[in-house]
Amino acid sequence: QVQLLQSGVEVKKPGASVKVSCEASGYSFSTFGVIWVRQAPGQGLEWMGWISAYNGDTKYAERVQGRVTLTTDSSTSTAHMELRSLRSEDTATYFCARVGRTLSGSGADYWGQGTLVIVSS
Amino acid sequence: DIQMTQSPSSLSASIGDRVTITCRASQSIDDYLNWYQQKPGKAPKLLIFAASYLQSGVPLRFSGSGSGTDFTLTISSLQPEDFATYFCQQSYNNPTFGQGTKVEIK
Repeated sequence: QVQLLQSGVEVKKPGASVKVSCEASGYSFSTFGVIWVRQAPGQGLEWMGWISAYNGDTKYAERVQGRVTLTTDSSTSTAHMELRSLRSEDTATYFCARVGRTLSGSGADYWGQGTLVIVSS
Repeated sequence: DIQMTQSPSSLSASIGDRVTITCRASQSIDDYLNWYQQKPGKAPKLLIFAASYLQSGVPLRFSGSGSGTDFTLTISSLQPEDFATYFCQQSYNNPTFGQGTKVEIK
């Protein structure tokens, strides 16, 4: 069965970086894309970016552009999200999710369990 | 970015009620509209994709309609497990989500 397993809770100081991983199983990793979505406590969902596991193409949300990098490792079927220059407002649960090979027209049909990132001095 | 506006932001309903949630896009998105259900502490779950297609395994009481800028999610007969928050999301270009509709027990 399709599963996305994310890395554990992270506690970081302002200005630091965090890297969250998302290990996929149960499907051909390079046939799909991965999006990253975050949710601040008690708030809605915010799309952060998309990466094609097929060719590494990426798109980022304007709000985090320049601070976020998405990568994939096909040898381990793992997607990574690195966020730099962390601020308190980056405190959120970060989700990875599987989407189609192209960003447009895709619903996210499988999701990771979420990774809580806490940014606090 | 395309703005997605959901209404209402919350509603109270009883078991067996018909529930309708609407989502409006700030520009036409054809049928690139998805609906998700989220329960507290859990990841979102895809219910409807491409405005009206039921995701595999989702009960038939869920349905979606609309195209262009106006969309609707309908639950034909609300069940206890349906109390949750629902989000619309456009996938026409850089994805954006609606602010959510919390469905509570009356």
